[in-house]
Amino acid sequence: AQSVTQLDSQVPVFEEAPVELRCNYSSSVSVYLFWYVQYPNQGLQLLLKYLSGSTLVKGINGFEAEFNKSQTSFHLRKPSVHISDTAEYFCAVTRTGGSEKLVFGKGTKLTVNP
Amino acid sequence: DAGVIQSPRHEVTEMGQEVTLRCKPISGHDYLFWYRQTMMRGLELLIYFNNNVPIDDSGMPEDRFSAKMPNASFSTLKIQPSEPRDSAVYFCASSLGRIGNEQFFGPGTRLTVL
Repeated sequence: AQSVTQLDSQVPVFEEAPVELRCNYSSSVSVYLFWYVQYPNQGLQLLLKYLSGSTLVKGINGFEAEFNKSQTSFHLRKPSVHISDTAEYFCAVTRTGGSEKLVFGKGTKLTVNP
Repeated sequence: DAGVIQSPRHEVTEMGQEVTLRCKPISGHDYLFWYRQTMMRGLELLIYFNNNVPIDDSGMPEDRFSAKMPNASFSTLKIQPSEPRDSAVYFCASSLGRIGNEQFFGPGTRLTVL
């Protein structure tokens, strides 16, 4: 079975600072990886995903993530955050060739302060 | 496209009452997922359907919970009888086709059981 660990439950940063949200996964088989974002009182929406190919994946709103198979990590980064990036971010995993079932991490609440 | 539609958006009920949550997936999507989100447990998959057929209900907490999908455009999640520990935000999501495709989430139903 797959599992996801998001190492930080809360990350406060100042506007225009860089940010990294950490995600590690556990799986004995190949996986697909996702980052979703949840703005207050809304459902989740996809930021980016890694299926195959280049390990550096670019998503919406200037976010990117790097798949590191040896470290089983998929950390999310943004070089300069905005107030509007304040939200909760979820890392998720599913195994290739398996079901559509996603396993989500507990989430990281990013707060961007002025 | 209206996206995934959930109703009601908020539900307050008393312990022991029956609760029915409703979901209309995006037209043409063949997968439908029900999730529950709580502070303690994060985002949990309860059940998912493919072409209206339940595929995996291993996340359904107990017999008080049931889900149906009578046709491609409608699904319900029922709790009978409800208990205070069922208080959570319930999300419905839908996706199209193969593994790795984005799941589109509805806005959620916030359930409070008194």
